[in-house]
Amino acid sequence: NAGVTQTPKFRVLKTGQSMTLLCAQDMNHEYMYWYRQDPGMGLRLIHYSVGEGTTAKGEVPDGYNVSRLKKQNFLLGLESAAPSQTSVYFCASSSQDRVTHEQFFGPGTRLTVL
Amino acid sequence: DAKTTQPTSMDCAEGRAANLPCNHSTISGNEYVYWYRQIHSQGPQYIIHGLKNNETNEMASLIITEDRKSSTLILPHATLRDTAVYYCIVRVPPDKLIFGTGTRLQVFP
Repeated sequence: NAGVTQTPKFRVLKTGQSMTLLCAQDMNHEYMYWYRQDPGMGLRLIHYSVGEGTTAKGEVPDGYNVSRLKKQNFLLGLESAAPSQTSVYFCASSSQDRVTHEQFFGPGTRLTVL
Repeated sequence: DAKTTQPTSMDCAEGRAANLPCNHSTISGNEYVYWYRQIHSQGPQYIIHGLKNNETNEMASLIITEDRKSSTLILPHATLRDTAVYYCIVRVPPDKLIFGTGTRLQVFP
């Protein structure tokens, strides 16, 4: 199993450009999440999904949109990138069948907005 | 807002026990305490969790006070590979993790 994978690993954007980050998991997990991590900070939840076709806002949703068209994929979109969105983005997934409700994290995408 | 407070950094000698404290005085009755760690810039890794009883697994032990306002993560025999940032987290139903800024643990030879 590959676990949670993220595409791309690095990206540089200019202010106003758009892009989509892809998260994929092969563990058949129901829940998926997008976080951002700024330097020296903990992770903050952007959006999450409790199942295919569903999404919900987290702590810092402004400026982002998400879609969960397939159970194994969770897409994070930036319609008009801003320098304040420079961050490392982590995707995670979890199964409600596991007693631990452990979240499995991907390796991260490092995004720089100039 | 983060629901937990932790010391910014701690040191521990290799082979000794590392005791990482956490305060979560506003935790609600149905909210679990989770610990994750992040090595370098990798994605966080689950360590352990608990509600009100002490817990132990192959990685660590979790001690939760009776009033649930604080807890301690214990790594019984720290190694250099345990150097990481350790996050004490409250899990808010249904499944949201509220991260704080964590404790940077440095294990030295």
